[in-house]
Amino acid sequence: GAGVSQTPSNKVTEKGKYVELRCDPISGHTALYWYRQSLGQGPEFLIYFQGTGAADDSGLPNDRFFAVRPEGSVSTLKIQRTERGDSAMYLCASSPRGEADTQYFGPGTRLTVL
Amino acid sequence: SQKIEQNSEALNIQEGKTATLTCNYTNYSPAYLQWYRQDPGRGPVFLLLIRENEKEKRKERLKVTFDTTLKQSLFHITASQPADSATYLCARIHGSSNTGKLIFGQGTTLQVKP
Repeated sequence: GAGVSQTPSNKVTEKGKYVELRCDPISGHTALYWYRQSLGQGPEFLIYFQGTGAADDSGLPNDRFFAVRPEGSVSTLKIQRTERGDSAMYLCASSPRGEADTQYFGPGTRLTVL
Repeated sequence: SQKIEQNSEALNIQEGKTATLTCNYTNYSPAYLQWYRQDPGRGPVFLLLIRENEKEKRKERLKVTFDTTLKQSLFHITASQPADSATYLCARIHGSSNTGKLIFGQGTTLQVKP
């Protein structure tokens, strides 16, 4: 079946602009995760959804970042007033209920803030 | 704090040899460790999970060990092939509860030369 998809694959924006990154998890997966990965580093946890609610948002760096998952499926990561330091690969992963130890990652969105 | 450390230097080996990658963790032993493969510009792909009470796990040419005394996991690829060239990430579960929040190492890049 289809894997996790993320759109857009690349996003270039200017400092101060607002961006939205979308994640379509594997159908039926209840858990959804957002990670951020800088060049040469491993992914860093941002936020975790179980169903529609954010069960853990401790990784969001500041209040410019927030994410939603209104119907328990697709999720959108929203970044306000982007800064150059936000440039990174943003990865989404999903896992089935009760199998949080197996996460399936999407291809990521490469965000570049000029 | 809970950290994962991987050798940031690239590992270069000859085709057919065994590649061994190291992952060290701090603080208490996690319930499990995971290994992922990541190709340039792509999301991580899950390879293996090893639990705290397992000393070794195998999958085809892959072998993972978990040493709670040394606080270390070793990842072996036997009979390596150029197609095995990629970055390999080690990850631990954060805390003791199974929320799926992962802490990743920075990854080790493996280059297998023909």
